[in-house]
Amino acid sequence: DAKTTQPNSMESNEEEPVHLPCNHSTISGTDYIHWYRQLPSQGPEYVIHGLTSNVNNRMASLAIAEDRKSSTLILHRATLRDAAVYYCIRHSGNTPLVFGKGTRLSVIA
Amino acid sequence: DTGVSQDPRHKITKRGQNVTFRCDPISEHNRLYWYRQTLGQGPEFLTYFQNEAQLEKSRLLSDRFSAERPKGSFSTLEIQRTEQGDSAMYLCASSSWTSPSTDTQYFGPGTRLTVL
Repeated sequence: DAKTTQPNSMESNEEEPVHLPCNHSTISGTDYIHWYRQLPSQGPEYVIHGLTSNVNNRMASLAIAEDRKSSTLILHRATLRDAAVYYCIRHSGNTPLVFGKGTRLSVIA
Repeated sequence: DTGVSQDPRHKITKRGQNVTFRCDPISEHNRLYWYRQTLGQGPEFLTYFQNEAQLEKSRLLSDRFSAERPKGSFSTLEIQRTEQGDSAMYLCASSSWTSPSTDTQYFGPGTRLTVL
Protein backbone atom coordinates (compact mmCIF):
# COMPACT_ATOMS: atom_id res chain seq x y z
CA ASP A 1 0.00 0.00 0.00
CA ALA A 2 1.75 3.10 -1.30
CA LYS A 3 -0.53 5.39 0.74
CA THR A 4 -0.13 8.17 -1.83
CA THR A 5 -2.20 8.95 -4.89
CA GLN A 6 -0.70 10.31 -8.09
CA PRO A 7 -2.01 10.70 -11.63
CA ASN A 8 -0.87 7.88 -13.89
CA SER A 9 0.59 10.20 -16.50
CA MET A 10 1.20 13.82 -17.34
CA GLU A 11 2.54 15.67 -20.33
CA SER A 12 4.50 18.88 -20.53
CA ASN A 13 6.07 21.02 -23.20
CA GLU A 14 9.80 21.52 -23.07
CA GLU A 15 10.94 24.58 -21.12
CA GLU A 16 7.54 24.93 -19.46
CA PRO A 17 7.06 24.49 -15.69
CA VAL A 18 5.57 21.20 -14.53
CA HIS A 19 3.50 20.67 -11.40
CA LEU A 20 3.22 17.05 -10.32
CA PRO A 21 0.53 16.53 -7.67
CA CYS A 22 0.41 13.96 -4.89
CA ASN A 23 -2.28 13.23 -2.32
CA HIS A 24 -1.36 11.72 1.03
CA SER A 25 -4.45 12.41 3.10
CA THR A 26 -3.58 9.87 5.85
CA ILE A 27 -0.04 11.09 6.40
CA SER A 28 1.21 10.93 9.98
CA GLY A 29 2.98 13.78 11.73
CA THR A 30 6.38 12.10 11.48
CA ASP A 31 6.23 11.08 7.82
CA TYR A 32 8.44 12.95 5.40
CA ILE A 33 7.35 13.41 1.80
CA HIS A 34 9.97 12.11 -0.56
CA TRP A 35 10.10 12.31 -4.33
CA TYR A 36 12.17 10.01 -6.46
CA ARG A 37 12.24 9.70 -10.22
CA GLN A 38 13.22 6.85 -12.48
CA LEU A 39 14.55 7.48 -15.94
CA PRO A 40 14.20 4.70 -18.51
CA SER A 41 16.49 1.73 -17.81
CA GLN A 42 17.92 3.28 -14.65
CA GLY A 43 17.46 2.89 -10.91
CA PRO A 44 15.39 5.48 -9.06
CA GLU A 45 17.02 8.82 -8.31
CA TYR A 46 16.35 10.99 -5.26
CA VAL A 47 14.79 14.34 -6.15
CA ILE A 48 13.73 16.13 -2.97
CA HIS A 49 12.06 15.65 0.39
CA GLY A 50 10.36 17.74 3.06
CA LEU A 51 8.34 17.60 6.25
CA THR A 52 6.29 20.75 6.59
CA SER A 53 7.96 23.66 4.87
CA ASN A 54 8.41 24.16 1.17
CA VAL A 55 11.81 23.01 -0.03
CA ASN A 56 14.02 23.96 -2.95
CA ASN A 57 17.08 22.34 -4.42
CA ARG A 58 18.89 22.42 -7.72
CA MET A 59 16.57 19.84 -9.25
CA ALA A 60 13.12 20.94 -8.14
CA SER A 61 10.87 22.59 -5.58
CA LEU A 62 8.47 20.86 -3.22
CA ALA A 63 5.35 22.67 -2.12
CA ILE A 64 3.61 21.08 0.86
CA ALA A 65 0.03 21.98 1.74
CA GLU A 66 -0.51 23.51 5.15
CA ASP A 67 -2.52 20.46 6.30
CA ARG A 68 0.16 18.15 4.77
CA LYS A 69 -2.48 16.11 2.99
CA SER A 70 -1.06 16.92 -0.40
CA SER A 71 2.10 18.15 -2.03
CA THR A 72 3.32 19.27 -5.43
CA LEU A 73 6.66 18.66 -7.07
CA ILE A 74 7.60 21.58 -9.29
CA LEU A 75 10.07 21.33 -12.14
CA HIS A 76 10.69 24.91 -13.12
CA ARG A 77 11.67 24.29 -16.75
CA ALA A 78 11.07 20.82 -18.08
CA THR A 79 13.69 19.38 -20.38
CA LEU A 80 13.63 16.20 -22.41
CA ARG A 81 15.90 14.67 -19.78
CA ASP A 82 13.15 15.10 -17.19
CA ALA A 83 10.97 12.51 -18.90
CA ALA A 84 10.67 9.82 -16.25
CA VAL A 85 8.36 8.15 -13.75
CA TYR A 86 8.03 10.33 -10.65
CA TYR A 87 7.25 8.68 -7.33
CA CYS A 88 5.79 10.48 -4.31
CA ILE A 89 6.47 8.52 -1.13
CA ARG A 90 5.52 8.93 2.51
CA HIS A 91 8.56 7.93 4.52
CA SER A 92 9.11 7.83 8.25
CA GLY A 93 12.82 7.21 7.85
CA ASN A 94 12.74 4.03 9.87
CA THR A 95 10.92 1.96 7.27
CA PRO A 96 11.74 1.03 3.70
CA LEU A 97 10.49 3.18 0.87
CA VAL A 98 7.07 2.08 -0.39
CA PHE A 99 6.75 2.92 -4.07
CA GLY A 100 3.43 3.17 -5.89
CA LYS A 101 3.15 3.27 -9.65
CA GLY A 102 4.09 6.94 -9.85
CA THR A 103 3.37 9.49 -12.53
CA ARG A 104 4.87 8.99 -15.96
CA LEU A 105 5.94 12.42 -17.22
CA SER A 106 6.32 12.92 -20.94
CA VAL A 107 8.08 16.03 -22.21
CA ILE A 108 7.32 17.23 -25.70
CA ALA A 109 9.93 19.13 -27.68
CA ASP B 1 31.77 9.50 -5.22
CA THR B 2 31.47 6.39 -7.35
CA GLY B 3 27.84 5.72 -6.54
CA VAL B 4 26.16 2.38 -5.90
CA SER B 5 27.34 -0.38 -8.20
CA GLN B 6 25.73 -3.72 -8.96
CA ASP B 7 27.08 -6.78 -10.63
CA PRO B 8 26.16 -8.34 -12.97
CA ARG B 9 23.97 -5.90 -14.87
CA HIS B 10 22.19 -8.71 -16.67
CA LYS B 11 21.75 -12.37 -15.84
CA ILE B 12 19.98 -15.03 -17.86
CA THR B 13 19.51 -18.37 -16.17
CA LYS B 14 17.49 -21.53 -16.51
CA ARG B 15 14.71 -22.41 -14.12
CA GLY B 16 16.03 -24.27 -11.11
CA GLN B 17 19.50 -22.71 -11.15
CA ASN B 18 20.92 -20.59 -8.34
CA VAL B 19 22.01 -17.01 -8.94
CA THR B 20 23.90 -14.49 -6.82
CA PHE B 21 23.98 -10.73 -7.22
CA ARG B 22 26.40 -8.29 -5.64
CA CYS B 23 25.89 -4.71 -4.52
CA ASP B 24 28.62 -2.27 -3.54
CA PRO B 25 27.12 0.70 -1.69
CA ILE B 26 28.48 4.20 -1.46
CA SER B 27 31.48 4.11 0.87
CA GLU B 28 30.58 4.49 4.55
CA HIS B 29 26.84 4.28 3.98
CA ASN B 30 25.51 2.31 6.90
CA ARG B 31 22.20 1.18 5.38
CA LEU B 32 21.79 -1.05 2.36
CA TYR B 33 18.46 -1.97 0.78
CA TRP B 34 17.33 -4.52 -1.80
CA TYR B 35 14.27 -3.95 -3.96
CA ARG B 36 12.70 -5.85 -6.82
CA GLN B 37 10.93 -4.23 -9.75
CA THR B 38 8.77 -5.85 -12.40
CA LEU B 39 7.64 -4.21 -15.60
CA GLY B 40 5.24 -1.33 -15.11
CA GLN B 41 5.44 -1.42 -11.33
CA GLY B 42 7.35 0.61 -8.79
CA PRO B 43 10.17 -1.06 -6.86
CA GLU B 44 9.13 -3.39 -4.03
CA PHE B 45 11.13 -3.68 -0.85
CA LEU B 46 12.84 -7.01 -0.15
CA THR B 47 15.20 -6.50 2.77
CA TYR B 48 17.60 -4.06 4.37
CA PHE B 49 20.72 -3.97 6.51
CA GLN B 50 22.12 -1.51 8.96
CA ASN B 51 25.82 -2.23 8.92
CA GLU B 52 25.98 -6.03 8.95
CA ALA B 53 22.66 -6.60 10.71
CA GLN B 54 19.65 -7.56 8.61
CA LEU B 55 16.91 -5.50 10.20
CA GLU B 56 13.83 -6.29 8.13
CA LYS B 57 12.68 -8.76 5.51
CA SER B 58 9.58 -8.45 3.34
CA ARG B 59 7.00 -11.21 2.98
CA LEU B 60 8.16 -11.23 -0.65
CA LEU B 61 11.46 -12.70 0.46
CA SER B 62 10.67 -16.41 0.33
CA ASP B 63 12.98 -19.01 1.80
CA ARG B 64 14.65 -19.34 -1.61
CA PHE B 65 16.05 -15.82 -1.18
CA SER B 66 18.91 -15.00 1.13
CA ALA B 67 20.89 -11.80 1.59
CA GLU B 68 24.09 -11.07 3.44
CA ARG B 69 26.24 -8.11 4.26
CA PRO B 70 29.12 -9.83 6.04
CA LYS B 71 31.37 -6.90 6.89
CA GLY B 72 28.90 -4.10 6.67
CA SER B 73 30.16 -3.09 3.24
CA PHE B 74 29.08 -4.96 0.09
CA SER B 75 26.02 -7.20 0.04
CA THR B 76 24.98 -10.29 -1.87
CA LEU B 77 21.49 -11.49 -2.76
CA GLU B 78 21.16 -15.16 -3.63
CA ILE B 79 18.14 -16.79 -5.21
CA GLN B 80 18.06 -20.58 -5.06
CA ARG B 81 16.07 -22.79 -7.44
CA THR B 82 15.01 -19.86 -9.59
CA GLU B 83 11.49 -19.73 -11.00
CA GLN B 84 10.17 -17.80 -13.96
CA GLY B 85 8.33 -15.50 -11.57
CA ASP B 86 11.69 -14.34 -10.23
CA SER B 87 12.37 -12.54 -13.50
CA ALA B 88 12.67 -8.88 -12.55
CA MET B 89 15.07 -6.01 -12.02
CA TYR B 90 16.83 -6.29 -8.66
CA LEU B 91 17.81 -2.90 -7.28
CA CYS B 92 20.18 -2.05 -4.50
CA ALA B 93 20.22 1.25 -2.62
CA SER B 94 22.29 2.68 0.20
CA SER B 95 21.91 5.55 2.63
CA SER B 96 23.81 7.25 5.40
CA TRP B 97 21.20 7.03 8.10
CA THR B 98 21.59 9.12 11.22
CA SER B 99 17.98 10.27 11.66
CA PRO B 100 14.69 9.95 9.76
CA SER B 101 15.41 13.18 7.90
CA THR B 102 18.65 11.81 6.48
CA ASP B 103 17.39 8.61 4.87
CA THR B 104 18.02 9.64 1.29
CA GLN B 105 18.53 6.46 -0.66
CA TYR B 106 20.92 6.23 -3.59
CA PHE B 107 20.12 3.49 -6.06
CA GLY B 108 22.33 1.39 -8.24
CA PRO B 109 21.58 0.62 -11.90
CA GLY B 110 20.06 -2.75 -11.05
CA THR B 111 20.58 -6.33 -12.12
CA ARG B 112 18.07 -7.59 -14.65
CA LEU B 113 17.31 -11.27 -14.13
CA THR B 114 15.66 -13.38 -16.80
CA VAL B 115 14.68 -16.92 -15.88
CA LEU B 116 14.00 -19.15 -18.87
